[in-house]
Amino acid sequence: SQQGEEDPQALSIQEGENATMNCSYKTSINNLQWYRQNSGRGLVHLILIRSNEREKHSGRLRVTLDTSKKSSSLLITASRAADTASYFCATDVNNDMRFGAGTRLTVKP
Amino acid sequence: NAGVMQNPRHLVRRRGQEARLRCSPMKGHSHVYWYRQLPEEGLKFMVYLQKENIIDESGMPKERFSAEFPKEGPSILRIQQVVRGDSAAYFCASSPAAGGYEQYFGPGTRLTVT
Repeated sequence: SQQGEEDPQALSIQEGENATMNCSYKTSINNLQWYRQNSGRGLVHLILIRSNEREKHSGRLRVTLDTSKKSSSLLITASRAADTASYFCATDVNNDMRFGAGTRLTVKP
Repeated sequence: NAGVMQNPRHLVRRRGQEARLRCSPMKGHSHVYWYRQLPEEGLKFMVYLQKENIIDESGMPKERFSAEFPKEGPSILRIQQVVRGDSAAYFCASSPAAGGYEQYFGPGTRLTVT
């Protein structure tokens, strides 16, 4: 069954702006991962944050995790047109991955 | 090190035919996951397999769908008597072990049922 739910469903911003996507989930997790999918392609793993971590950085990506609120956010700073893609959060519950429906990000040049 | 391979990339089947989708995990990976993505929707988990074992098939329809991951060879997702609603992209992913490991995704197989 689905677990994570991303918000918003779609986001459109100008190049250079920051993009924030949120993910909420229902049950306790081992870790939470964010993936990116370019149109018509497979998913690419972006970042994994464990349940005992609160924040993680990777380049222009910043992920936070609040287990008390069962939510996570993905921040992309200084966005580029090439960041246009769908972004999915996935929760690891007892070794099973569950994905949300994704946020479709459009970065306008 | 080649990534996760899926074939065919595109598959067209008439209603009632069988579809066989193959997934070769990354070298050294013994865990395989299958996902289905309907147009404009997110991924939905179908089944999780380890070599020769089905670990979790809670996301797989009870009828017409089956999956295997034999000791030798690729993982196979088999759909019998396909219907139009089976048209989707099917992605497989692999990981080296269970729990807390990144999953590496293949490029997907796009199934079209006419």
